[in-house]
Amino acid sequence: AQRVTQPEKLLSVFKGAPVELKCNYSYSGSPELFWYVQYSRQRLQLLLRHISRESIKGFTADLNKGETSFHLKKPFAQEEDSAMYYCALRGSNYKLTFGKGTLLTVNP
Amino acid sequence: SAVISQKPSRDICQRGTSLTIQCQVDSQVTMMFWYRQQPGQSLTLIATANQGSEATYESGFVIDKFPISRPNLTFSTLTVSNMSPEDSSIYLCSVEDRSRTSGTYNEQFFGPGTRLTVL
Repeated sequence: AQRVTQPEKLLSVFKGAPVELKCNYSYSGSPELFWYVQYSRQRLQLLLRHISRESIKGFTADLNKGETSFHLKKPFAQEEDSAMYYCALRGSNYKLTFGKGTLLTVNP
Repeated sequence: SAVISQKPSRDICQRGTSLTIQCQVDSQVTMMFWYRQQPGQSLTLIATANQGSEATYESGFVIDKFPISRPNLTFSTLTVSNMSPEDSSIYLCSVEDRSRTSGTYNEQFFGPGTRLTVL
């Protein structure tokens, strides 16, 4: 069975502060990990995936197989980063399993 | 990359009735999915809609309650049957298509969702 855990429902930081959204997963094989974001009044969209090892909007995420984690990080948060963030896992069956999401609020 | 529209965007329905949600994609896609997002919960996959064959349902979801049609590669419907207040959720259509930013990978794109309230 595949499972994704996001321990924080809410996360509030000040503008310019570092931010880390935690994600842990459970999967017996080699998973693909993703971060999706939903801004206010917009649809869910892909932010980044572990396989491409890219930085999007200043966000990065590293897959740590030893700790089964895929935490999302940004060194300096911006107000426009305020959104709902979902960590997701895809196993060999192409189906996505989502975590419960973390609502990030970046205060001015 | 695919652009997805859903109808209706929201509805308020009476207990015991049924609602059909439409999902239209602007390109032909092989894989189409239906998700449910209950209040305060994450997205849960209901089924994979296969063109030309029956949908594949996840554990806890059955065809009698959530019949799905997939008549072609750009369209699908999900019906929520014999509704109860527990069916109040956002229902999302999703497709897998070429990524907007990467020519190498595919990506799942999501529709805007249908917000259903059952009284």
